[in-house]
Amino acid sequence: AQTVTQSQPEMSVQEAETVTLSCTYDTSENNYYLFWYKQPPSRQMILVIRQEAYKQQNATENRFSVNFQKAAKSFSLKISDSQLGDTAMYFCAFLEALNTGKLIFGQGTTLQVKP
Amino acid sequence: DGGITQSPKYLFRKEGQNVTLSCEQNLNHDAMYWYRQDPGQGLRLIYYSQIVNDFQKGDIAEGYSVSREKKESFPLTVTSAQKNPTAFYLCASSPWVRDGTGELFFGEGSRLTVL
Repeated sequence: AQTVTQSQPEMSVQEAETVTLSCTYDTSENNYYLFWYKQPPSRQMILVIRQEAYKQQNATENRFSVNFQKAAKSFSLKISDSQLGDTAMYFCAFLEALNTGKLIFGQGTTLQVKP
Repeated sequence: DGGITQSPKYLFRKEGQNVTLSCEQNLNHDAMYWYRQDPGQGLRLIYYSQIVNDFQKGDIAEGYSVSREKKESFPLTVTSAQKNPTAFYLCASSPWVRDGTGELFFGEGSRLTVL
């Protein structure tokens, strides 16, 4: 079975600095999607960034970028110029099968941005 | 505005009682999902439905039931058979997965507490 592991339960970063959140996954599939979701204190999950496994280029969305290492099954999220509004829980997720839409989530990393 | 509405936001239940959580979406999405969130465990899939009048069990379906009589609605019933129902429940939807990108759109969640 596919699994997603986030080994950092909590992290903190100073405002304006850069932080990297780690994620590893296990799968025998060759084509899949990976996601980072953000859950702020309001509890509503929102998509931060998405990566398609067949694309070698790392995805970027403004201050958010990923380091996707397919062979190592690693998918880390880098947040540049951290802002107070980035304080949230971040979940790494793996799309198990395109024909079901079932996402498998990691345990989450709580990020605190300090002023 | 388009989105997913979950109700109630907070719910208290006595042991032995069934309770139904509502999830409605006006995004015209085909697929809908229920996840359970517990501290330190991330999100776990309870049930999902890709089309009206059809649904499948997720990883932790025991003690839960669902129905999908309308495209817009996917209510979750937490039955008395669920041994540890206190949790945060998230409903999500996505377009038909084969044409989509795998992204899930989430509601704001329902917090269930068993007294």
